[in-house]
Amino acid sequence: DTGVSQDPRHKITKRGQNVTFRCDPISEHNRLYWYRQTLGQGPEFLTYFQNEAQLEKSRLLSDRFSAERPKGSFSTLEIQRTEQGDSAMYLCASSLAVTGGSPLHFGNGTRLTVT
Amino acid sequence: EDKVVQSPLSLVVHEGDTVTLNCSYEVTNFRSLLWYKQEKKAPTFLFMLTSSGIEKKSGRLSSILDKKELFSILNITATQTGDSAIYLCAVVNNQGGKLIFGQGTELSVKP
Repeated sequence: DTGVSQDPRHKITKRGQNVTFRCDPISEHNRLYWYRQTLGQGPEFLTYFQNEAQLEKSRLLSDRFSAERPKGSFSTLEIQRTEQGDSAMYLCASSLAVTGGSPLHFGNGTRLTVT
Repeated sequence: EDKVVQSPLSLVVHEGDTVTLNCSYEVTNFRSLLWYKQEKKAPTFLFMLTSSGIEKKSGRLSSILDKKELFSILNITATQTGDSAIYLCAVVNNQGGKLIFGQGTELSVKP
C-alpha cells in the first residue's frame, strides 16, 4: 500500500497524559498536513510542512500541540497534557508542491479519545 | 477570514434520484476548489476545479465552478446506495497549500 499511513488507528488516554501520533506520507510527496475532525464538521487545518520546514501553523492551535518532520519524510504530532476537548479524529495528508496545486491525499486517521 | 459554506448539511434520497450539492466560498486570492468524498475514514479526492464554467466529470459525478458568484456544485445522477457518504468541499488560496474545508453534506441514499 503506497498511500498515506497513520499510526495508531485508535488511542484512548486519560486527561493530562501526553500522546504522539505518526504519519508516513506518500513517498514522493514533499508536503505534509495535519488536520483535526470532529463529528459533523469538516477537517480543521492544524499545520503543514514542506520537506522538513513547518510553513504554517493554525492560530487556533494551542501551545500543547507540536509537530515535527525531522528528515522531510514521516511526521509526528504530539499533544501534551491532553484535555477532553482534544478528542477527535486526527488526519494526516500529503501532496506535491507544484504550480497550480495538487490534491491532498489523506490517511485513515488516528481517533483520539480522552477520558 | 477564508470561509466555505456547504448546503444542505444533510440529504436523504432514493436510489436513482439526482442530487445537487452546493458549496459557496469567500477566500482571499483564490487558487482552486476541491471536492472530496468521505465514507468511514479518509476523505478521497473527487475533483479539483480552477477555471470557471468548465465541467469536470467522472462517471455519474460532475462538478462546475463559478468564480464570479463564488460557488461550486457537485451533481450526482442515478444515485446508488454506495454514494452514501459525506461530501466535503474545500478551497485553496495562493498563499499556501492548505485546504479550508466546509462542514460537509451528509448524503444518504435509500434503496
